[in-house]
Amino acid sequence: QKEVEQNSGPLSVPEGAIASLNCTYSDRGSQSFFWYRQYSGKSPELIMSIYSNGDKEDGRFTAQLNKASQYVSLLIRDSQPSDSATYLCAVGDKIIFGKGTRLHILP
Amino acid sequence: EAGVAQSPRYKIIEKRQSVAFWCNPISGHATLYWYQQILGQGPKLLIQFQNNGVVDDSQLPKDRFSAERLKGVDSTLKIQPAKLEDSAVYLCASSLSVSSYEQYFGPGTRLTVT
Repeated sequence: QKEVEQNSGPLSVPEGAIASLNCTYSDRGSQSFFWYRQYSGKSPELIMSIYSNGDKEDGRFTAQLNKASQYVSLLIRDSQPSDSATYLCAVGDKIIFGKGTRLHILP
Repeated sequence: EAGVAQSPRYKIIEKRQSVAFWCNPISGHATLYWYQQILGQGPKLLIQFQNNGVVDDSQLPKDRFSAERLKGVDSTLKIQPAKLEDSAVYLCASSLSVSSYEQYFGPGTRLTVT
């Protein structure tokens, strides 16, 4: 059974700090990795995709991938209250979603 | 560019009744997905279409769920008969092709089965 694991949280981070969200996956052959943001009552929104080892930056967001450790993370710099949401990690070409981490940014 | 459209947004039915959901993907997107998201869980893939063909329906409860995408654009998902455990948000997503894994989601349909 292919699995994607995330800490459900909530993760509370002060405004302006760096939020670090983590995800591990079981399928060593996975080649595609995604982070989605989901506000309460809304649908998931793609914010980052990463396909190779290392870091990928887009604005305040950085995705980090380590295939050897089967680990993918999302860093949010200068966290804002509007970043408060559930962040879903998704893995693989037959995409499997984790349960998500709830992030609270404290004003 | 218009996003993924879904209707209805909300539906309340009694158990053993039937219900249908409609999805119109982003124009030009060949691949369409239906997901079920139960509260507190991540989305679970029910079925994936490439144009009007089924790519993956391994997690679709085929005794009660059916889906079609006859002309390779719009899609409908049907549940008949509904059970209490079908209460969830049904999400439709689309991507450019089966090899383009970046998916864009519609607003979802919240189904409550009483």
